[in-house]
Amino acid sequence: EVQLVESGGGLVQPGGSLRLSCAASGFTFSSYWMHWVRQVPGKGLVWVSFINSDGSSTTYADSVKGRFTISRDNAKNTLYLQMNSLRAEDTAVYYCTRDVFGAFDIWGRGTMVTVSS
Amino acid sequence: DIVMTQTPLSSPVTLGQPASISCRSSQSLVHSDGNSYLSWLQQRPGQPPRLLIYKISNRFSGVPDRFSGSGAGTDFTLKISRVEAEDVGVYYCMQATQSNTFGQGTKLEIK
Repeated sequence: EVQLVESGGGLVQPGGSLRLSCAASGFTFSSYWMHWVRQVPGKGLVWVSFINSDGSSTTYADSVKGRFTISRDNAKNTLYLQMNSLRAEDTAVYYCTRDVFGAFDIWGRGTMVTVSS
Repeated sequence: DIVMTQTPLSSPVTLGQPASISCRSSQSLVHSDGNSYLSWLQQRPGQPPRLLIYKISNRFSGVPDRFSGSGAGTDFTLKISRVEAEDVGVYYCMQATQSNTFGQGTKLEIK
């Protein structure tokens, strides 16, 4: 079964750090571009970051540029999002998703990140 | 940055009746490779998003044929020919021609 499973979310104080992971299974992870998308509960979807298949190219939303780092370990079939200098406005459910034909075809169930003192 | 604007933001529909959602981009979504990377996603309550349509009009695997997409350039439409109870949720358009941007979402509810 093709699957993405996020982990690593939780409660963190403003200014703190968190690393999210996304474990992929059921497909050749190393062949696909991947993204992180976030969603404040009850609100819309917001694109966060992209990484190409070998990790050599990454892009970020302006709101997280310089604070978040996307990476991947194709040997471990895992996508990461290192989040530093966290702010209250980063509070959201974070989804990892697979890119195919410029569309996001597979989504994990998400992991909740809460930034609060 | 490309801005995606959906209308309406809320759509009450009678079961068995059609529904239509519009999505307008602030710039043409025609990529240099000739494709237009406009997709539609459905998010049912409590669920992650689900891909319905990619590259304007291609139905994704397993998506019922009552869902269809159309449009070109900057104007796109998602149509549901006959709304069923399981179609309740929020629908998003997304562009991937220049980075990635989502529309605000359209909430589909049953009258």
